[in-house]
Amino acid sequence: DVKVTQSSRYLVKRTGEKVFLECVQDMDHENMFWYRQDPGLGLRLIYFSYDVKMKEKGDIPEGYSVSREKKERFSLILESASTNQTSMYLCASSFPGLVENEQFFGPGTRLTVL
Amino acid sequence: AQKITQTQPGMFVQEKEAVTLDCTYDTSDPSYGLFWYKQPSSGEMIFLIYQGSYDQQNATEGRYSLNFQKARKSANLVISASQLGDSAMYFCAMRRGSNYQLIWGAGTKLIIKP
Repeated sequence: DVKVTQSSRYLVKRTGEKVFLECVQDMDHENMFWYRQDPGLGLRLIYFSYDVKMKEKGDIPEGYSVSREKKERFSLILESASTNQTSMYLCASSFPGLVENEQFFGPGTRLTVL
Repeated sequence: AQKITQTQPGMFVQEKEAVTLDCTYDTSDPSYGLFWYKQPSSGEMIFLIYQGSYDQQNATEGRYSLNFQKARKSANLVISASQLGDSAMYFCAMRRGSNYQLIWGAGTKLIIKP
């Protein structure tokens, strides 16, 4: 079974802190994604990576950056956390080659910025 | 612009009844795909079913089927013989052309009553 893990289920940070959210997948997927999920808005793509060191901005990249130094690990970085970044963050991965290949998700990290 | 609309924020359904969750989409791309995911209260997104724009037949997976009406740009999820375990958030998502990225609807919260 594909397994996508995220470093924390719950995280509380202070405004201005640098925050790292880690995601690891164990199925050798090339594609990895970071989303944020807010009530009434569904999932919005923050960043997408299709290979090591490769990344593309999603719909809402402002205030975020990402790092992919190894194929299995995709990190989301909040350079200076703000209260409007309080949200649920979901990581996903998928195997390329067929566009109907589904994305596999981690359990999510609920981040609160005070 | 590409868009996914789920007009039902919430639904209550009696156990064992069939359920239809609505999804309409907007795209000018001739090649696209539609996904449905389930998110239980535990938070993890679970892939349910996929329909490609060129697929001739409606997709089915066990108790899940997709009522795909291309001319109306709708891709409704039908759950037959609902169960208590079907209570969850349900999201419709659309693949953007040949890209691996998805855009998501706001979701429908389904509650199955015993």
